[in-house]
Amino acid sequence: DTAVSQTPKYLVTQMGNDKSIKCEQNLGHDTMYWYKQDSKKFLKIMFSYNNKELIINETVPNRFSPKSPDKAHLNLHINSLELGDSAVYFCASRPEGGQGLTGELFFGEGSRLTVL
Amino acid sequence: QKEVEQNSGPLSVPEGAIASLNCTYSDRGSQSFFWYRQYSGKSPELIMFIYSNGDKEDGRFTAQLNKASQYVSLLIRDSQPSDSATYLCAVLRNQGGKLIFGQGTELSVKP
Repeated sequence: DTAVSQTPKYLVTQMGNDKSIKCEQNLGHDTMYWYKQDSKKFLKIMFSYNNKELIINETVPNRFSPKSPDKAHLNLHINSLELGDSAVYFCASRPEGGQGLTGELFFGEGSRLTVL
Repeated sequence: QKEVEQNSGPLSVPEGAIASLNCTYSDRGSQSFFWYRQYSGKSPELIMFIYSNGDKEDGRFTAQLNKASQYVSLLIRDSQPSDSATYLCAVLRNQGGKLIFGQGTELSVKP
């Protein structure tokens, strides 16, 4: 019944490794996002896809590559992990015509990435 | 200057008091403003949105918007310990449809 689900919830890995986080939503929304939340709780947008098309690509190192195989899924692959990548990564989806004229995001539970 | 700025707190209020959370934004063309609540270890959830200047009330919550001053606030009346959380102000940037968040204000309501 989970609306936006992310896996894994926790990820501990070494510097230099490559890892992926997966996101799926069963709400029928067309738009999905990746946000990064650092240790100071600052939630920063990274990417957004609308119906499998990339529409927002913030200034993010190209080690981060999103992929959307269909509108219900948005995955995030990170190459050559660095210490500064440690954060909680949130996936979110947005309904068309949602509350606040598209400002209503439905967030997943987050994936806490720790790079050692 | 950050696009959306909040005092990070922590803001501590006694149970039953009014908690006042403030937010300023830099893009004068912004039209839609949001307050999200995030409990520790959980994901953000939308609690209020406002478009028009003035006040908007929903239960114990009141959002206030002053576009001339580029200022948004959230008042929580009769604060409860269960209101203890981080409150995130967010602004919808019309160009590109991005929702930009402030750094959040941590609220602690003491019994």
